[in-house]
Amino acid sequence: AQSVSQHNHHVILSEAASLELGCNYSYGGTVNLFWYVQYPGQHLQLLLKYFSGDPLVKGIKGFEAEFIKSKFSFNLRKPSVQWSDTAEYFCAVNALSGAGSYQLTFGKGTKLSVIP
Amino acid sequence: DAGVTQSPTHLIKTRGQQVTLRCSPKSGHDTVSWYQQALGQGPQFIFQYYEEEERQRGNFPDRFSGHQFPNYSSELNVNALLLGDSALYLCASSLDTASSYNEQFFGPGTRLTVL
Repeated sequence: AQSVSQHNHHVILSEAASLELGCNYSYGGTVNLFWYVQYPGQHLQLLLKYFSGDPLVKGIKGFEAEFIKSKFSFNLRKPSVQWSDTAEYFCAVNALSGAGSYQLTFGKGTKLSVIP
Repeated sequence: DAGVTQSPTHLIKTRGQQVTLRCSPKSGHDTVSWYQQALGQGPQFIFQYYEEEERQRGNFPDRFSGHQFPNYSSELNVNALLLGDSALYLCASSLDTASSYNEQFFGPGTRLTVL
């Protein structure tokens, strides 16, 4: 079964600082990779996704992520964070399950607090 | 175009009771997945419904059961509630996940508190 590890439980940054959130997954086959964001009081929203092609994917609100297959990683980055980026970020892997269909597995999440 | 909707928003139950949560998928979607998100954790997969049948299941006991209706809406039932069942229950809809090129759209969730 696949698993997802997010290295940081809570990250605190000042506005304009650069952000990198780590995500590693364990699965030997083809995967689709996602980052979801959950703003306070709101539901999960898709930030960006990787299915195939260019391993550097760009998402909404200036976020990007790089898929490094050899490292089983899909780290999220943003060059300059804003206070409005305060949220919880979840990395997720969509991979083929034993039942023969694709199942989404989430990491435990990283809470980002941006200080004005 | 309505997204994924869930009802109720909040629910308070006592131990041993039973609860039913409801989900309407995004228009055009035929697959519904349910997740449990405990406080401070990521969503954990409970099960997935497609063509009115449970297609796959996560590591949850049989107290958790579900149903999908012909209009693709779905229910999650939990029997003999335990304190540990307190969580945010998320519903996500997508097109048939036999293809890897699916994207799941999440609803706002139902916050269940078990006292």
